[in-house]
Amino acid sequence: DVKVTQSSRYLVKRTGEKVFLECVQDMDHENMFWYRQDPGLGLRLIYFSYDVKMKEKGDIPEGYSVSREKKERFSLILESASTNQTSMYLCASSPLGLAGWSEQFFGPGTRLTVL
Amino acid sequence: GENVEQHPSTLSVQEGDSAVIKCTYSDSASNYFPWYKQELGKRPQLIIDIRSNVGEKKDQRIAVTLNKTAKHFSLHITETQPEDSAVYFCAASTNTDKLIFGTGTRLQVFP
Repeated sequence: DVKVTQSSRYLVKRTGEKVFLECVQDMDHENMFWYRQDPGLGLRLIYFSYDVKMKEKGDIPEGYSVSREKKERFSLILESASTNQTSMYLCASSPLGLAGWSEQFFGPGTRLTVL
Repeated sequence: GENVEQHPSTLSVQEGDSAVIKCTYSDSASNYFPWYKQELGKRPQLIIDIRSNVGEKKDQRIAVTLNKTAKHFSLHITETQPEDSAVYFCAASTNTDKLIFGTGTRLQVFP
């Protein structure tokens, strides 16, 4: 079974704090993704990575950065948290598909509240 | 820009009835269309996907249809059961190596 884990289920931070969200997958997947999920807006891609030390901006990268030092771990960093970053954050991973795209496996999510 | 529209945002059906959720996409290069189901408090999970070289795909009570000319695809659930109650997301791949998700449909199946 693919397992994608996230460091926290719930997190409360103050405005201006630096926040680290960690994601680990145990299936040797090449691709990893960070999304945020907001009511009525669906899942929006923040950043993704196809390989170690590689990163690509998604649709809403502003205010975020990422780090992928090891294949199994993909970190999302909020450099200076703001209240509009209060959201559910979902990590996902997928293998390199022979026919292109393949299933993304999601973590349980981290509900972040910024006060 | 790239966009996926999903309708309806909420859908209520009686147990045993069918449910249909529709999505349209804007990127003509899209060639992969997954559907995810997210139960309350849980992570999204893939339930079915379709690639652009196929017009329809079925898996027991669920089916997806794709019309590339019109740029729309639909999820069909037959003989709905209470455990089908969840939020469903469609998505489409883009030529910039991303998946664009729809805004979700909350399906409620009443016994």
